[in-house]
Amino acid sequence: AQKITQTQPGMFVQEKEAVTLDCTYDTSDPSYGLFWYKQPSSGEMIFLIYQGSYDQQNATEGRYSLNFQKARKSANLVISASQLGDSAMYFCAMREGSQGAQKLVFGQGTRLTINP
Amino acid sequence: KAGVTQTPRYLIKTRGQQVTLSCSPISGHRSVSWYQQTPGQGLQFLFEYFSETQRNKGNFPGRFSGRQFSNSRSEMNVSTLELGDSALYLCASSYFGTGLMGETQYFGPGTRLLVL
Repeated sequence: AQKITQTQPGMFVQEKEAVTLDCTYDTSDPSYGLFWYKQPSSGEMIFLIYQGSYDQQNATEGRYSLNFQKARKSANLVISASQLGDSAMYFCAMREGSQGAQKLVFGQGTRLTINP
Repeated sequence: KAGVTQTPRYLIKTRGQQVTLSCSPISGHRSVSWYQQTPGQGLQFLFEYFSETQRNKGNFPGRFSGRQFSNSRSEMNVSTLELGDSALYLCASSYFGTGLMGETQYFGPGTRLLVL
């Protein structure tokens, strides 16, 4: 079974600093997709960034980038120039199963707090 | 383009009752997945529907069921509610396929269910 591990239950960062949220995964499938979602206190899961296992380059999306180290099975999220609105829960997830399967396995999440 | 919508947003039920939650996917999305989020268990996959067929199912008892209509809208039903069913139920939709466009699931705001 595939597994996602997020080892940081909580993180506190000063506004405008960069922050790295850790995620390691375990799978025997050669093809997989990795995702990061943000969940504010309202509850909605907001998609941030995607990395495919065959993608040659690290994914980037605005202030978000994914540090993908395939050999180490890690997919850390980097948020540059953090803002107060970045305070939320962040979840790393992996698509489980064959390509096209739409089942996501989630980590336990990291609660990020941005201090002014 | 409108996002994923879920109704109702909040629900209070008593043990033994049944409940039906509704989800309308993003226009053009044909896959709908359901997840349960609790403080203790985190985010867990319930099931996924595509073209009115259940393609994947998580490890939940038979009290949890769902269906998808021809317009891709989906409902999930929980019968004989238990206290432990209190959770945030999230619905997500995707195009269905591979890569960023096909795999990425977009979530609705969720339905908060409280079972008394």
